[in-house]
Order: sequence, then structure tokens, then C-alpha cells
Amino acid sequence: EADIYQTPRYLVIGTGKKITLECSQTMGHDKMYWYQQDPGMELHLIHYSYGVNSTEKGDLSSESTVSRIRTEHFPLTLESARPSHTSQYLCASSGVTGGRNEQFFGPGTRLTVL
Amino acid sequence: GDSVTQMEGPVTLSEEAFLTINCTYTATGYPSLFWYVQYPGEGLQLLLKATKADDKGSNKGFEATYRKETTSFHLEKGSVQVSDSAVYFCALGGDYKLSFGAGTTVTVRA
Repeated sequence: EADIYQTPRYLVIGTGKKITLECSQTMGHDKMYWYQQDPGMELHLIHYSYGVNSTEKGDLSSESTVSRIRTEHFPLTLESARPSHTSQYLCASSGVTGGRNEQFFGPGTRLTVL
Repeated sequence: GDSVTQMEGPVTLSEEAFLTINCTYTATGYPSLFWYVQYPGEGLQLLLKATKADDKGSNKGFEATYRKETTSFHLEKGSVQVSDSAVYFCALGGDYKLSFGAGTTVTVRA
């Protein structure tokens, strides 16, 4: 079944740890995105990718980094987690079908840094 | 640049009430317009969409019409249920990304 997956769903970790949030899609999409969602529910684009070996920073500056070595996989890494990184992180993908830039979202990872 | 202005919440209403959430946009070209819904603890789901002017998107009793003359895409439902309690996002599909509104939290009481 075509879908988009994120793991873990919840993560509680201490300050200074390195973490990687996983995102995979089986939709055959070329574009992928990472959003940070604040407690007020507003969404902020932090990274996007048009395809393999393509990554760009989004509208909101983020200390995280991303990579796109395989089409279906778009992991996000924080080298040294801090309490200010506590947030909900949403991954999305889009392809050539549907409306212009119609995106499909994963279930999200809720990160808490103590 | 592209932007979306969405009615602020929160909105609280009783079951079977009429719901409307206003959304207006600014864009160059001919964007697609979307409404996404986010239930508690979940990611966003596409609720409905419209890809050109005068298109009406509909799903699960919700409707929205792409109005180019008023640059609007208001969401409506005639009779809400408790299960419609969620956060609703209006979005505009531009050249390379979606531009989202700030989200409107809707709570429906039994």
C-alpha cells in the first residue's frame, strides 16, 4: 500500500544527544518535505528536496540537517538536541499527480528534549 | 509572494451547527487550493482540493469553492459532528511548495 511513514512516533531524549528522525514513502514521489509544527499548530517548512542528492532549506531556519540518498528516504538529523528543539516534526511528499504541489503527510514525530 | 490568511480560532460549536472557516489568498499565477485536516495526535490529511477557478471541492460533507474574483476558498459544512473536532488548514500550492494558513482549531460539543 502506498503510504508515508515516520519513526519514531514519540521520542524523549536528553540534551546533547544526536538524533535522527526517519521518513520513508512508498508513493513513488520525487519531492519530500520536513515541517516543524509549533504548539499553536502553525506549520513551518524547514527542509525540502526535489530528488536524490537535492536538499534545500525552507522558510524557517533550523539547526537540523537532512539527506536524500534514496528517492524514498528523507531522514532528518539533529547533531546535538536542545530543549528548544522540542516540537512536532511532520514529513510530507508530493509527485506529479493531484493538484499543484498536493502533499501527503506522515503521522509525525513528537520530539521532547529534556 | 504567495500567502494564505485563515480565520483565527478557536471555534467551538454544538453538534449539527453550521461551520464556516474563512480563507483568502494572495498568489501569482494559477495555484491549486487545499483544505487539510489534522486530528489529535496525527499528521495532516487532505480534506478537499480545487485546481482551478470555480471548482468546488467536497468530501465528508465539507465543501469549498475556488473563487478567483474574491481570492477566497472558504470551508463549509452544514451539520457538524463531534468527530469533526480537529485543526483545519487552508493551503495554496505554489511553484515549489505549499503555503499554509495558521490553522483553525474546531471543537464540536455533543
